[in-house]
Amino acid sequence: DQQVKQNSPSLSVQEGRISILNCDYTNSMFDYFLWYKKYPAEGPTFLISISSIKDKNEDGRFTVFLNKSAKHLSLHIVPSQPGDSAVYFCAASALDSNYQLIWGAGTKLIIKP
Amino acid sequence: DGGITQSPKYLFRKEGQNVTLSCEQNLNHDAMYWYRQDPGQGLRLIYYSQIVNDFQKGDIAEGYSVSREKKESFPLTVTSAQKNPTAFYLCASSKTGVRTGELFFGEGSRLTVL
Repeated sequence: DQQVKQNSPSLSVQEGRISILNCDYTNSMFDYFLWYKKYPAEGPTFLISISSIKDKNEDGRFTVFLNKSAKHLSLHIVPSQPGDSAVYFCAASALDSNYQLIWGAGTKLIIKP
Repeated sequence: DGGITQSPKYLFRKEGQNVTLSCEQNLNHDAMYWYRQDPGQGLRLIYYSQIVNDFQKGDIAEGYSVSREKKESFPLTVTSAQKNPTAFYLCASSKTGVRTGELFFGEGSRLTVL
């Protein structure tokens, strides 16, 4: 049973437009969420995170929105750039689990010129 | 440069053989982790270690073993008991846990069982 779901395996967006990556979760104990970015042949790198006490966190071109009632979060990239082409993973953590993250399957983002 | 080094990048193994994947970090991180990635799935935690000489099973520890004799090193042994070992393996480390700090990953090791 997948507790963190990224239902879109891939997403194609025009350069300069907004990219929106979605993530849904089922476990109401999750209270901290992270996005990681992965290029081919490399390990994932941390991108942005959000605590459940917030509904938005922004870092430059990247903004994460959290809708707790819907158990849904989204990552917005504005404007999208060619270097943003990568696989994006959503991950979640519960308060009583400082060393465990539950990961989504990832969404491959392709930025078209 | 500080980072995590995994070796080998590619490894082929015959069925019934044990194989050990190396993971070394020079970030002075206390915690280290091993994840497995399969196509279409998220990363799944195999083992983690919060401190030297201590480690905990993750969600899919069966068929794997680890040791943490030094802070810098966290090798993973894939034993013959692992039913489906062909996968991409990622090692990671963090200063504290995964909630307040970020995970830093190595480049991964791809294991193929022939």
